[in-house]
Amino acid sequence: GNSVTQMEGPVTLSEEAFLTINCTYTATGYPSLFWYVQYPGEGLQLLLKATKADDKGSNKGFEATYRKETTSFHLEKGSVQVSDSAVYFCALTPWGGNNRKLIWGLGTSLAVNP
Amino acid sequence: GAGVSQSPSNKVTEKGKDVELRCDPISGHTALYWYRQSLGQGLEFLIYFQGNSAPDKSGLPSDRFSAERTGGSVSTLTIQRTQQEDSAVYLCASSSPGLLSPDTQYFGPGTRLTVL
Repeated sequence: GNSVTQMEGPVTLSEEAFLTINCTYTATGYPSLFWYVQYPGEGLQLLLKATKADDKGSNKGFEATYRKETTSFHLEKGSVQVSDSAVYFCALTPWGGNNRKLIWGLGTSLAVNP
Repeated sequence: GAGVSQSPSNKVTEKGKDVELRCDPISGHTALYWYRQSLGQGLEFLIYFQGNSAPDKSGLPSDRFSAERTGGSVSTLTIQRTQQEDSAVYLCASSSPGLLSPDTQYFGPGTRLTVL
């Protein structure tokens, strides 16, 4: 079946540090891959996505590349800010059909200290 | 334009009572999804609507859970005879298959359900 595994948190970094949050997936075919973010007290927001192999999604300085050979979609940012403190979720939608239900990782909490 | 809205934002109920949670999707979005976010289980898919029909109900945890959608718009998730393990944040999302970003789901703020 389809599943997503992401690194457990919490992750604590100092401002301007480099961030990597690992995400790997199991799925048939060519799923679409997503990173969603949940800031404290707010709802889920799409951060970035990639819909085919070797695509790179990017937004707000964050990047992730769809690697089919390693079934990975790791999230990176070169220099984190305090405002990036949030919970980050990796997710996929299965390949094919109109049902694009999201299959989620467990989330990684990030705290950035000044 | 307005985003996805959900009501109520918070609901506290007693064990055994029925509750109804409402979702208003983005106008024109034909696909609607319900998810549940709980401490023990993370984020879980519950049900998917395309128009008024629900081709995938596989995530509903028991027959106490049901959902409907009317007019291709508003959806209601009903939980009968609530149990403490139903306590969670219930999230609704909508999307519009066939447009430029068919995979992008837009989420509402959620309804926090607490069963005492």
